[in-house]
Amino acid sequence: NAGVMQNPRHLVRRRGQEARLRCSPMKGHSHVYWYRQLPEEGLKFMVYLQKENIIDESGMPKERFSAEFPKEGPSILRIQQVVRGDSAAYFCASSPNTGAFGGETQYFGPGTRLLVL
Amino acid sequence: AQKVTQAQTEISVVEKEDVTLDCVYETRDTTYYLFWYKQPPSGELVFLIRRNSFDEQNEISGRYSWNFQKSTSSFNFTITASQVVDSAVYFCAANTGKLIFGQGTTLQVKP
Repeated sequence: NAGVMQNPRHLVRRRGQEARLRCSPMKGHSHVYWYRQLPEEGLKFMVYLQKENIIDESGMPKERFSAEFPKEGPSILRIQQVVRGDSAAYFCASSPNTGAFGGETQYFGPGTRLLVL
Repeated sequence: AQKVTQAQTEISVVEKEDVTLDCVYETRDTTYYLFWYKQPPSGELVFLIRRNSFDEQNEISGRYSWNFQKSTSSFNFTITASQVVDSAVYFCAANTGKLIFGQGTTLQVKP
């Protein structure tokens, strides 16, 4: 049973370019979460999605960042016009829908390391 | 709002020593869930344990054990007879629908 898949594992972009990060949840998982790990800042929640719905985007920067989880295909975290401060590790996690709100275990992918030059 | 504090930034031990990583949480919820994750040098995040607030029984898994104390709002993690492969950053987290992480404790186990 494959785990959470993320690609690319490493991504280099120049300032002003767009970054697209992909996440395929574990089989049978319908919830996807994105987290960002900035140097010296720890892991911070960005967004929580279910298929075709954004449930909680309270951690997303208001500009340049967007996320989707379409009916078919992986979840995408998109960063437009990247700046150096966007350099970080971006982790995707998935969980099953057990009905225990807040109780689902989130399993993480290997992360995408984004470097903005 | 929930908050998780890991006061120990870095811990260094010699192999075979026991080590305890502290985690203190704050919450107003009566039902909540706590987690520990390990981030080895390779960078991935590995799930270790999930604990719900209404089950105070402590848990042991091999060399790992967890002590959940509601009275002190703590969920500490002990590694017995540490090994070099235990060297990693360990994160405690609370789940409110999203994970709130502590700052992490870097554990270095020296041979």
